[in-house]
Amino acid sequence: NAGVTQTPKFQVLKTGQSMTLQCAQDMNHNSMYWYRQDPGMGLRLIYYSASEGTTDKGEVPNGYNVSRLNKREFSLRLESAAPSQTSVYFCASLLELAGNEQFFGPGTRLTVL
Amino acid sequence: KNEVEQSPQNLTAQEGEFITINCSYSVGISALHWLQQHPGGGIVSLFMLSSGKKKHGRLIATINIQEKHSSLHITASHPRDSAVYICAALTGNQFYFGTGTSLTVIP
Repeated sequence: NAGVTQTPKFQVLKTGQSMTLQCAQDMNHNSMYWYRQDPGMGLRLIYYSASEGTTDKGEVPNGYNVSRLNKREFSLRLESAAPSQTSVYFCASLLELAGNEQFFGPGTRLTVL
Repeated sequence: KNEVEQSPQNLTAQEGEFITINCSYSVGISALHWLQQHPGGGIVSLFMLSSGKKKHGRLIATINIQEKHSSLHITASHPRDSAVYICAALTGNQFYFGTGTSLTVIP
């Protein structure tokens, strides 16, 4: 099993450009999450999906959209990138049956100039 | 105000020392998650607990639901334990994260 995979690992964008961060898990988990991590702050939830076909806003959803394409894949889209979106982005999935343990992807380091 | 507070923010220890990292939360939770973030950035799960105590190797996690407090202990610390340790409180479908404790273990 690959666990949770994310692409790309690094990305540099100019203000106003768009991009999609991809996330996939092969553990048959129902719940998937997108977080951002900024220096001095804890991980903050952008969006989550409790099941295929459903998505919900988290703490910091502005400027982002998500798609739960199927049970495996959960993508995060920046329509018009801003410097404030410079961050490290983590995707995670949740194993409900084993004490709600989260599994994290390796992260995407995004810089918006 | 952050729903989850960790202390200390930074911790330096000599190899072999016993280490304690604390986590307090203000929300009602169903479980508390301890995570380790390596210097390279990867995040791995250490423990998920909703009551009592769990042990894995040199790591011990405890939780007191009434006091809304959890601790992570590392016995016989080693330089390879150097990392950021993060606690996260599970409420409903969402986790609320502390800002992390940066641990450095000196040989």
